[in-house]
Amino acid sequence: GDSVTQMEGPVTLSEEAFLTINCTYTATGYPSLFWYVQYPGEGLQLLLKATKADDKGSNKGFEATYRKETTSFHLEKGSVQVSDSAVYFCALSVEYNTDKLIFGTGTRLQVFP
Amino acid sequence: EPEVTQTPSHQVTQMGQEVILRCVPISNHLYFYWYRQILGQKVEFLVSFYNNEISEKSEIFDDQFSVERPDGSNFTLKIRSTKLEDSAMYFCASTPSRRGGVDTQYFGPGTRLTVL
Repeated sequence: GDSVTQMEGPVTLSEEAFLTINCTYTATGYPSLFWYVQYPGEGLQLLLKATKADDKGSNKGFEATYRKETTSFHLEKGSVQVSDSAVYFCALSVEYNTDKLIFGTGTRLQVFP
Repeated sequence: EPEVTQTPSHQVTQMGQEVILRCVPISNHLYFYWYRQILGQKVEFLVSFYNNEISEKSEIFDDQFSVERPDGSNFTLKIRSTKLEDSAMYFCASTPSRRGGVDTQYFGPGTRLTVL
């Protein structure tokens, strides 16, 4: 079935370090791909998305490129801040006529000054 | 900015008891969802709801679960007889339209349900 696999956390970084959170997917159709972020005490917020192969989603300095050949959608940021500390969820939606999201387990990022 | 709200933030209940988790979706949204996340596991889709009926549900959403939009603003998830394995974080979400997931789903902060 359709699924998403994320790297396990926590990921611990110093401020201004480079971030990569890996995400790979398995899907039978042509998925749209998403990264959601959950800050402490808040709901899941859409961070970025890509709807077709080779699309790059970007927001708040974060980027992810939809790689169909490697079935990946890795999240990157060049210089993390303490305020980026949160849980990051990779997700996909496969079929046009269904609206459910399929999530990974989430990766906790901790950034220290 | 409008947001999805959920109450309570934490619910503790005894096994076998009924619980109702409440959500207030964004006011002009038409599609509503429940997801859950058991500690350490993936966020899982439970059910989607549109025009006062279920449009899709997962295998998890068995006869113990029901959803309702009782008054045009609230969206509730009821678990009739809770089991230990129902302990999880439950997220509500809403979206203004339905385009295969391309439109953003707006999530609430979640309700942590603990079944003792």
